[in-house]
Amino acid sequence: ILNVEQSPQSLHVQEGDSTNFTCSFPSSNFYALHWYRWETAKSPEALFVMTLNGDEKKKGRISATLNTKEGYSYLYIKGSQPEDSATYLCAFKGGTSYGKLTFGQGTILTVHP
Amino acid sequence: DAGVTQSPTHLIKTRGQQVTLRCSPKSGHDTVSWYQQALGQGPQFIFQYYEEEERQRGNFPDRFSGHQFPNYSSELNVNALLLGDSALYLCASSSGTGLSQETQYFGPGTRLLVL
Repeated sequence: ILNVEQSPQSLHVQEGDSTNFTCSFPSSNFYALHWYRWETAKSPEALFVMTLNGDEKKKGRISATLNTKEGYSYLYIKGSQPEDSATYLCAFKGGTSYGKLTFGQGTILTVHP
Repeated sequence: DAGVTQSPTHLIKTRGQQVTLRCSPKSGHDTVSWYQQALGQGPQFIFQYYEEEERQRGNFPDRFSGHQFPNYSSELNVNALLLGDSALYLCASSSGTGLSQETQYFGPGTRLLVL
């Protein structure tokens, strides 16, 4: 059974704080790691697809790093804003799976004004 | 571009009934995947359709079946509904062979409640 774990489960920060959370995944048979942002009552929005060990991706104030050897990825948000409040999901794709994404349970971020 | 659309948005059924959920993929996409999200959990992969065939299946019973049409839209059917089938059902579309690292784009989901 594939285990994808995210921590923390939830996080409350003040506007302007920087924050980060973790996704752990199997280090064997790695193919890709996806990050999604999911706001309430909307569709999950793709943030990053990461494939190479040491990869670092950035989109505005959000960035992510990838360590496939030890099986973890970090998502960073710099200067959090209330509109960053959402559930952040990571999803692991193994090398033998056509399209199956195995998701973590998500980190719920609340940014207080 | 309409993005991925799903219908209906909400549905209430009783135990033992059958349900059909529908998904239209993003323009240009030929692959549709279905996920179930129960409360407090991440989405769980049900199956993926490509070229009108089920290409990969997750750990779900045969009560869960699907179909993909020539226009790439897809249906998810669940027979003999159980209370535990209450969940948000998400559809995702993508392009390519599925072996590449392409992004899966999600619809807003169908919320199913089984009473």
